[in-house]
Order: sequence, then C-alpha cells, then structure tokens
Amino acid sequence: EVVLTQSPATLSLSPGERATLSCRASQSVRYFLAWYQQKPGQAPRLLIYDSSTRATGIPARFSGSGSGTDFTLTISSLEPEDFAVYYCQQRSNGLTFGGGTKVEIK
Amino acid sequence: QVQLLESGGGVVQPGRSLRLSCAASGFTFNNYAMHWVRQAPGKGLEWVGFISYDGSNKYYGDSVKGRFTISRDNSKNTLYLQVTSLRLEDTAVYYCAKGFGYYEEYFDPWGQGTLVTVSS
Repeated sequence: EVVLTQSPATLSLSPGERATLSCRASQSVRYFLAWYQQKPGQAPRLLIYDSSTRATGIPARFSGSGSGTDFTLTISSLEPEDFAVYYCQQRSNGLTFGGGTKVEIK
Repeated sequence: QVQLLESGGGVVQPGRSLRLSCAASGFTFNNYAMHWVRQAPGKGLEWVGFISYDGSNKYYGDSVKGRFTISRDNSKNTLYLQVTSLRLEDTAVYYCAKGFGYYEEYFDPWGQGTLVTVSS
C-alpha cells in the first residue's frame, strides 16, 4: 500500500498569503495524484487531479505540481473561503489518502 | 446537476449489519463507476470500495474486505453498501462518490454522507 504523508499538519496563514502544502508518497505514484478540499460539515471537493489539472470550476489560484513521490498544492493568495482541510489521494497502486493539512486563519 | 444522496445510516450494535444506499441523479448512472469512502469522526478519509459501471468488477479496501459488499441497481440509479459484522472502528460518515478521470479512480462529486455509529 502506498502511504501518503502530508505536511505540515496545520498551516496558519492570513488571507492574501500564499499557501504551500506538501504530499509525499512512500513509493512513486507517477503523476496519479489528486487534491481535495473539505470544509467543516461538508463532503470533500475535487480540486486537482493527475498532479496538476484543475477540476471544473476550480479557481486559478489553486495549482498542483510534482511527480514520482513529491507533490505540492499551492494556493497563490488565500481567500476567506479557502480555510479548510486539504487531502491528497493517489491512484497508482490502490487508492489511498494522505492524513490531511488544515489551513487555518492566523 | 449531479446529485448523490446517501441514506441508511444510524446507530447499530457491534456484530450487526446495515445497508447504505446512494441515490444518483443528474447523470447517466449506468455509464460510471462508483465508490464508497468513509471518514471516522475527526479523522481522515479512507477508501472503502469500488464498483464498475455494470457491477461486474468490485474492489475493496483491506479493512473491510470480506465484511462489506458493494452493489448497484442501474434500473433505480442507486448504489448500495452492505455492511456486516460491524466493529466499533467502522463508526464513520460514509460517502458515495462518482468515479472520475480516465480510470475513474478519483472521486467527483461526493454525496453529503450518512453517519454510521457502531455502539453497544
């Protein structure tokens, strides 16, 4: 099973700042990685798939990069609605999720 | 638009069974693979299982293999999850999600979830 490790566990930032979230895989997942956003009391929402492709309707301030074992989700300038928990997920070898990164208001 | 609506959750004793349902609308249900994903209270996401568009292929996560069964009724646009031999650690919100991407192994969109609480 591929283990995904997300860091940091919590990111404290102010609106307008840049957020950089990391997801590291225990073995190569090529580019088969997605990112999801989850707000309290809501279901997750797909943001990015295949490492860098934005899902329909996702604002351009969200971008993904990486391949192999190291991936990054970047939010270029945080909007108030972006404070949430973010999960990565791989589909290269089974289907597994990372433990999540909470982006909170500083 | 695509809508997924789960139901069937509740409080159940350890060892008992439950059937969860997911009613789909807004897309051609019988063209798409579907998944179940769960989330224990305050915890992260765990993939539960997958069913192909026609029900011919099913895959499960290791923690539920042999206890949970996914099925679908394409005539009713409904996905099911039969959960048996429930354990305390099966307590979670159970989400259904439409398969997305070339191999339908991403999840989009998700339903709002149904809570299963296993308690004596």
